[in-house]
Amino acid sequence: GQNIDQPTEMTATEGAIVQINCTYQTSGFNGLFWYQQHAGEAPTFLSYNVLDGLEEKGRFSSFLSRSKGYSYLLLKELQMKDSASYLCAVMDSNYQLIWGAGTKLIIKP
Amino acid sequence: GAVVSQHPSRVICKSGTSVKIECRSLDFQATTMFWYRQFPKQSLMLMATSNEGSKATYEQGVEKDKFLINHASLTLSTLTVTSAHPEDSSFYICSAKTTRDTEAFFGQGTRLTVV
Repeated sequence: GQNIDQPTEMTATEGAIVQINCTYQTSGFNGLFWYQQHAGEAPTFLSYNVLDGLEEKGRFSSFLSRSKGYSYLLLKELQMKDSASYLCAVMDSNYQLIWGAGTKLIIKP
Repeated sequence: GAVVSQHPSRVICKSGTSVKIECRSLDFQATTMFWYRQFPKQSLMLMATSNEGSKATYEQGVEKDKFLINHASLTLSTLTVTSAHPEDSSFYICSAKTTRDTEAFFGQGTRLTVV
């Protein structure tokens, strides 16, 4: 079956760095997405990785290892507004998105 | 990025009535649209995938006669919840993409409450 695993909840301190991991097992791979979702709102796109390596975009970076079925989202210089759920999603061989359950990130002052 | 507009953002309806939710791509042609529902503190659950001009493909366990999806044009898809019941209360989200782009763009979501 297809499976996406990510931690349910993480807590970090304002100004610090946090890494949210995602492991996946899917039928085929056409890229991995990270989305941010604030409570009561639709997800917003953060990053897309299809090749191995690190993609940096401002305070956010995303890493992918296809051989390990592993990705992480790295958030630097955390701000209170970064408190949200972070969803990992993999596009399978049929170009369907398989979603993880999301990681709720709590930022403390 | 591309804009997807979903309407209404909130709706309250009586049990037994039907509710229509619209999803429009404002500045691109959406060849494929996805409909999700999300329960509190849970991830998105794909309900169906629709391609313009063809019937929607429903995920296992989703009643196609209850959740009617129409994708009549490249910029509009609708989800109609028929004979709504309180257990249909949820957050419904659409997303749209073109065949060229990998990324799907999300609408703002619709909070449906059935009383």
